[in-house]
Amino acid sequence: DAGVTQSPTHLIKTRGQQVTLRCSPISGHKSVSWYQQVLGQGPQFIFQYYEKEERGRGNFPDRFSARQFPNYSSELNVNALLLGDSALYLCASSPRGSRTDLSGANVLTFGAGSRLTVL
Amino acid sequence: AQSVAQPEDQVNVAEGNPLTVKCTYSVSGNPYLFWYVQYPNRGLQFLLKYITGDNLVKGSYGFEAEFNKSQTSFHLKKPSALVSDSALYFCAVRDMGGSYIPTFGRGTSLIVHP
Repeated sequence: DAGVTQSPTHLIKTRGQQVTLRCSPISGHKSVSWYQQVLGQGPQFIFQYYEKEERGRGNFPDRFSARQFPNYSSELNVNALLLGDSALYLCASSPRGSRTDLSGANVLTFGAGSRLTVL
Repeated sequence: AQSVAQPEDQVNVAEGNPLTVKCTYSVSGNPYLFWYVQYPNRGLQFLLKYITGDNLVKGSYGFEAEFNKSQTSFHLKKPSALVSDSALYFCAVRDMGGSYIPTFGRGTSLIVHP
């Protein structure tokens, strides 16, 4: 089985532009989460989607948005890019959303990430 | 609120020696604890987790972690380090009774010298 796939792997944008990042979860996984990892920091939670609904949102501005499609793939959009948006954007999938994970401890499977550079 | 601290930015160890990567956490209730590893230009990979039960948790690649409730710690250990263990290690915590989203530490770079 394919793991979590993300595209593009690398991209360069200029300030003010918009970017769309894509993620395909592991087959059978219905939950997708997005994280931002700045160099030297741990992953920071941006969004979680489950069954096409937003189930969680981190402390990011409204320039960040996301959606999940019927096939459970997801897109992360960032508008009006700033230099500080330069980071590795990670997508993670899990079988169920956190609130429906009866085991109580979802293990996240991460993709390799999309490295965004804003000039 | 939940938080996790990894007090060491970098840990250096000689191949064959035991290694420890430290993690302490703070939650209101009981914790779910995780360790992930990140190799260069890769996403995070799950190593092990603690939910409940035995305080010593065994995971992938010979790693284990010990949950210590009184010290609010979840240190990652391995009896004999390999050069291939060199990577970035992240501890994460979730509060059972609180946020459903895990909080990650800032990571510890493990360097194993031949």
